Amino acid sequence: QKEVEQNSGPLSVPEGAIASLNCTYSDRGSQSFFWYRQYSGKSPELIMSIYSNGDKEDGRFTAQLNKASQYVSLLIRDSQPSDSATYLCAVRYNFNKFYFGSGTKLNVKP
Amino acid sequence: TAGITQAPTSQILAAGRSMTLRCTQDMRHNAMYWYRQDLGLGLRLIHYSNTAGTTGKGEVPDGYSVSRANTDDFPLTLASAVPSQTSVYFCASSEPAAKNNEQFFGPGTRLTVL
Repeated sequence: QKEVEQNSGPLSVPEGAIASLNCTYSDRGSQSFFWYRQYSGKSPELIMSIYSNGDKEDGRFTAQLNKASQYVSLLIRDSQPSDSATYLCAVRYNFNKFYFGSGTKLNVKP
Repeated sequence: TAGITQAPTSQILAAGRSMTLRCTQDMRHNAMYWYRQDLGLGLRLIHYSNTAGTTGKGEVPDGYSVSRANTDDFPLTLASAVPSQTSVYFCASSEPAAKNNEQFFGPGTRLTVL
């Protein structure tokens, strides 16, 4: 069983702050890493993917990958109330196998 | 762009009845997946298909079957529904040949088995 662990939260941050979401995974053979946003009652929406160590930035979002420590994180700068959602971490290994964490609920307070 | 469509949006089903959840994608992705999402358990893979004509079992396949007759469609069948199959079901697709093989999800089907 491949484990993908996330703190379930809720993580509360004030509007305009940086939200930091973390994810650890168990399989060192994992190849690609993904962050999804899921609003209540909706389907997961892909935010970012990353497969190399280091940082990857896209607008207000930055994904960080550290394969040696087996963690991946998502930073959300200038958090907005519309960012309030559950964030899912997903890991791909062995060509086409994906495992998901149970998600971290983020609340951005106005 | 439609992306992935699922039908029905929601369904109440009597235990013991059969049902097929439909999934269609228009992105010409080779791989398709069925997940269920239950509170506190995250997304769990039921079945997958790497390409048309092939299918495989995921983490929780019991009680479910799939077929992949063509690239676009990937129906999920519950032969004899049980209450533990009450869940939200998501279909997803990806292109394994793409660099990161990103998965994209349909809107989901909320199924209640009574």
